[in-house]
Amino acid sequence: AQSVTQLGSHVSVSEGALVLLRCNYSSSVPPYLFWYVQYPNQGLQLLLKYTSAATLVKGINGFEAEFKKSETSFHLTKPSAHMSDAAEYFCAVSDAGNTPLVFGKGTRLSVIA
Amino acid sequence: EAGVAQSPRYKIIEKRQSVAFWCNPISGHATLYWYQQILGQGPKLLIQFQNNGVVDDSQLPKDRFSAERLKGVDSTLKIQPAKLEDSAVYLCASSLGPGGYTFGSGTRLTVV
Repeated sequence: AQSVTQLGSHVSVSEGALVLLRCNYSSSVPPYLFWYVQYPNQGLQLLLKYTSAATLVKGINGFEAEFKKSETSFHLTKPSAHMSDAAEYFCAVSDAGNTPLVFGKGTRLSVIA
Repeated sequence: EAGVAQSPRYKIIEKRQSVAFWCNPISGHATLYWYQQILGQGPKLLIQFQNNGVVDDSQLPKDRFSAERLKGVDSTLKIQPAKLEDSAVYLCASSLGPGGYTFGSGTRLTVV
């Protein structure tokens, strides 16, 4: 069965600092990988997804993630944090077929002025 | 295109009462999912439909939860009777094919 591990339930960075949110997956087949952001009392918004094309994926709001098969990782980064980036971030995985997303437990990002 | 519509947005009920949530997916999306997101956790799949058939309901607590998608379009999720631990956000998502999931805004259920 698919699973996702997000390291760190809470990450705190200063405004302007690098954001790094970690995600490792377990999959027996080439996966599709996703990062979602959730602001308080809102639904899930797709940041970016990897679907077996380029391993470096660029998303919205300046975020990007790199698929590393050898490390089974899909870490999310942003060079410079903004106050508006404070939210909950979820990594998710699915098989290449039309299968459900399996989510990690989430990482809450705080941005300090 | 219109997104995934869910209603109601919020619901407060007493334990042992029943409640129903509605989801209208994106037009043409054959696959529909219901997820439960408990506060502080990631969403967990409850049920997956392909058109009007159930693909996976292995994590649906069938003694109290039920879901249907009779005409292969909109769907309802029902809880009867509700328990305190059912307090969560219920998310609906639809998909046209692999890798293309769209989520609704969710229904926040509070059971008191």
